[in-house]
Amino acid sequence: NAGVTQTPKFRILKIGQSMTLQCTQDMNHNYMYWYRQDPGMGLKLIYYSVGAGITDKGEVPNGYNVSRSTTEDFPLRLELAAPSQTSVYFCASSYSSGGGGELFFGEGSRLTVL
Amino acid sequence: KQEVTQIPAALSVPEGENLVLNCSFTDSAIYNLQWFRQDPGKGLTSLLLIQSSQREQTSGRLNASLDKSSGRSTLYIAASQPGDSATYLCAVTVSGTSYGKLTFGQGTILTVHP
Repeated sequence: NAGVTQTPKFRILKIGQSMTLQCTQDMNHNYMYWYRQDPGMGLKLIYYSVGAGITDKGEVPNGYNVSRSTTEDFPLRLELAAPSQTSVYFCASSYSSGGGGELFFGEGSRLTVL
Repeated sequence: KQEVTQIPAALSVPEGENLVLNCSFTDSAIYNLQWFRQDPGKGLTSLLLIQSSQREQTSGRLNASLDKSSGRSTLYIAASQPGDSATYLCAVTVSGTSYGKLTFGQGTILTVHP
């Protein structure tokens, strides 16, 4: 059982470039999330989705976009990369939103913008 | 705004010692509280999930308690082992939202030395 899979694990971007972080889960979870983790700052929610075709902003959505065309996939797109987007990005999924929602995380994508 | 604080920021103990990690949150209106473990360069693994109506959860050598009224949770690790070395994060799910918005603490870095 693969769980939540993220690609790529590492990436270096130049300022102004764009890229997509891929996330797929095989647990048939409706809820999916993108977080970023900065050193000493905890995790911040970027975007989330409650099901295919439904997405919404989290705490720090500026500079990012998402789509959810299938239950399994939830890609995160960075447009016009900036040094402030240097971070570790985690995708997560859960089978319910709040009451019972244990989160399952991918192993992360480490992004550096130079 | 919900804020989550973890104390201490770092802890170093000899193998075999029992230890307690602390988590406090400012708003008691939560669905649940989760404790996660994060190994270096890896994603987060859920250890224990306590619903707001529960007082504690146990898994093996781990016991997590929740006192919602005082905004506190503790993670107790019995007979610590070097393999327990990791960063431990707590997160609360905020009530009243349509999705499971987690607010994370900054984590406690635990080192267990032989």
